[in-house]
Parts: sequence; structure tokens; C-alpha cells
Amino acid sequence: DAKTTQPNSMESNEEEPVHLPCNHSTISGTDYIHWYRQLPSQGPEYVIHGLTSNVNNRMASLAIAEDRKSSTLILHRATLRDAAVYYCIRPGTYKYIFGTGTRLKVLA
Amino acid sequence: NAGVTQTPKFRVLKTGQSMTLLCAQDMNHEYMYWYRQDPGMGLRLIHYSVGEGTTAKGEVPDGYNVSRLKKQNFLLGLESAAPSQTSVYFCASDGRGYYGYTFGSGTRLTVV
Repeated sequence: DAKTTQPNSMESNEEEPVHLPCNHSTISGTDYIHWYRQLPSQGPEYVIHGLTSNVNNRMASLAIAEDRKSSTLILHRATLRDAAVYYCIRPGTYKYIFGTGTRLKVLA
Repeated sequence: NAGVTQTPKFRVLKTGQSMTLLCAQDMNHEYMYWYRQDPGMGLRLIHYSVGEGTTAKGEVPDGYNVSRLKKQNFLLGLESAAPSQTSVYFCASDGRGYYGYTFGSGTRLTVV
């Protein structure tokens, strides 16, 4: 169950878009990519997931590279409430293995 | 409200004491998980269960035991607590539906 690779931290200004990258070079053809986020002092919560094509929901968008070796979580307009640790996960058999994620800091 | 409930929320143990953390879910999920999170770190999988009566080891199982006697409950036990087990423990369940894992709010355990 290979982990994914993400930058340790990123900063964004409030109201601006944020692009959070993730590398998953060993992904297989049937593996989904999942994103979770963890707000301060809370458990992680589901954000979005996808397989091949780009995905959108009310929280974010997910852009998956054509070769599927990387993906980008897009927050279209960052707010102070989006400050959190964002985890990109390639689910293993029965279970998720979390990396250290990307800590997003949103500047007012 | 549907979800994952962890008890207790906070606990302080002395070295060598034992305790059990309870995770309960009311979503009829088959899969349940215990993770620990140390300060500034990501989550590490301790044990997991893919159904009632089944358990399996995760990344860091040493010093912990688990049981899944009922589908809705997943218990995490520490037989002889050590300071290295000071951490925040998160339980999660997964019904293999669209929204992935549902996490509990965590148990903050301090071993002195």
C-alpha cells in the first residue's frame, strides 16, 4: 500500500484559488484517489474522490492527470475555514494509509 | 445523529495501567478502523476490522489489542500503557459507499 507524496505546507490568501498537488506514481488502473481534510482538533472528513476524469462537488474540484500519476485538489475560493491539513490517499486493500498531508494556511 | 461515537474523549493513565477505548457506529458499516495521531504527524493505522468477529493488524499494532464482537462496536485495548502511547486516537468506519470513511471526534490519551 504505497503512500502518496504531498508538500508539507502551503499558504494562500483568502478568496483566492488554491491548488494542492499530490503525486501517486505507483497507482494502478483501478485505484481511486481520495482526499480528506482535518480541521484543527477534529477527525478527518471526506472531501472528494475520483478515478480518471475531473470531479466537482460543493467543497472542491479534483483534477486527475491523464497518466493518473498525480492529481490536484482545487479550492476555488479559499476561506479562513479551509485552513486544515489535506490528505491525498490511495486506498489500499480494505484500508487507507495516511501520509503527513499538506497543511494549508489561509491568510486574511 | 448518525455517525461514529468515541468514548471517552479524554483520559489520563499511569504507566502500566490498562484501559479500553470504545468506538460505536450506527451506520451499519462493515469496516472499522483505529488510528493514532501524534503531534504534528499524520494518522497511523493501528488495527482494523472488515466485519464482525474479524480483526487485522495495521502499521503500528504493538501494545494494542482489538475486538469486534458486535458489528456496531470496535474496541481498542491497552493492556499495559506506556508513555509512548500518549496520542490522539481516532476511530473510523466505512460502508464502502460514496463518502468514504466517517471519523469519530477522537480520544485524547495521556500516559504519565
